[in-house]
Amino acid sequence: SAVISQKPSRDICQRGTSLTIQCQVDSQVTMMFWYRQQPGQSLTLIATANQGSEATYESGFVIDKFPISRPNLTFSTLTVSNMSPEDSSIYLCSVVPGHSTDTQYFGPGTRLTVL
Amino acid sequence: QQPVQSPQAVILREGEDAVINCSSSKALYSVHWYRQKHGEAPVFLMILLKGGEQKGHEKISASFNEKKQQSSLYLTASQLSYSGTYFCGTVTVGGGSNYKLTFGKGTLLTVNP
Repeated sequence: SAVISQKPSRDICQRGTSLTIQCQVDSQVTMMFWYRQQPGQSLTLIATANQGSEATYESGFVIDKFPISRPNLTFSTLTVSNMSPEDSSIYLCSVVPGHSTDTQYFGPGTRLTVL
Repeated sequence: QQPVQSPQAVILREGEDAVINCSSSKALYSVHWYRQKHGEAPVFLMILLKGGEQKGHEKISASFNEKKQQSSLYLTASQLSYSGTYFCGTVTVGGGSNYKLTFGKGTLLTVNP
């Protein structure tokens, strides 16, 4: 298993500003993912952030808006840039500790409100 | 391709049973089931791998029909603690280095006393 922490747990931001969310894992993992969950909705994959390679973004998400860093096997950051109220969501990081058949664990999430 | 879950919502009395279905239009490598309570992160329930199998965890079990590209989650003798939104997530064949877990829209389960 994996224990994941995220910072901040919640934030209220003004439109036009940027917020960087941190994800820390208690063990080394290759595969790490960032998801967005809008109020009352399902989880939508933003990007895959495997260490040693550039992040891979899903359709509808671009690097300029959601830059990701993955400096090592236990840490990643997601930045939400030039925020608008539509970016108000819960942002979750998740990891697959081992082989791709393993369980995917989720962090507690960061609840972002943009005014 | 997002898997399709049914029903969208179900209301039970404590002790009743429920089945939640998940289907995909693509061949599946694995199916993952999660439960999420309001304001909390999704919690892993179980994973079913290609090969068709059934798994159980106390009074919650699941099946995976590879040929039909479907999975079902069975909740028996429901408890109040079972309330929450259940999500199925699917990894389609051809994953490997392109591993990606795609979630259905969720099923809201409410268990009343």
